[in-house]
Amino acid sequence: DAKTTQPPSMDCAEGRAANLPCNHSTISGNEYVYWYRQIHSQGPQYIIHGLKNNETNEMASLIITEDRKSSTLILPHATLRDTAVYYCIVGGNRDDKIIFGKGTRLHILP
Amino acid sequence: DAGVIQSPRHEVTEMGQEVTLRCKPISGHNSLFWYRQTMMRGLELLIYFNNNVPIDDSGMPEDRFSAKMPNASFSTLKIQPSEPRDSAVYFCASSFLTAGNNEQFFGPGTRLTVL
Repeated sequence: DAKTTQPPSMDCAEGRAANLPCNHSTISGNEYVYWYRQIHSQGPQYIIHGLKNNETNEMASLIITEDRKSSTLILPHATLRDTAVYYCIVGGNRDDKIIFGKGTRLHILP
Repeated sequence: DAGVIQSPRHEVTEMGQEVTLRCKPISGHNSLFWYRQTMMRGLELLIYFNNNVPIDDSGMPEDRFSAKMPNASFSTLKIQPSEPRDSAVYFCASSFLTAGNNEQFFGPGTRLTVL
């Protein structure tokens, strides 16, 4: 079973920041938080991951709470091409499989 | 690099036939994953290999499914005999699995339809 809880869907206006929440209250000390997204008819695409520090790359920022029980993925300036299902996943350490849940379907509104 | 390559991209077959899906991982990656995606069940991990050795096949639905990785650059997922409920999109992914990094790169998928 997936170890995360995400809202099933969200809307965001084009050009605004999209903030996608994820709860992972049972995360253990050596587990990472991964984010992937899947655009319609394509394979999932890695976005970002982190352990306890906030992370930023060219695609997004990842904010992890101090107790590590939740996190937020931030797309700073959402575009229509960001419309996708976003998956928050916990685990993925060495020799560990990652389990995809149902994700959040993000709609970017023009 | 061309990324993860899967073939065929689409497969339509009749119930009872053998189906073989193929995957070429990214060169240098040491882990390979097979997933299945349906509307009802979402994205499910079927099996994964590390250094060509199957590590976890607990997601393989039944004995009709088998997977092999004869070398670091090739893997197959075989269904024999196929059934209509096997219709799904099958994804292959690869990664360079190290401590703290399991970033997986997915192929475009094979859309399988079993009539």
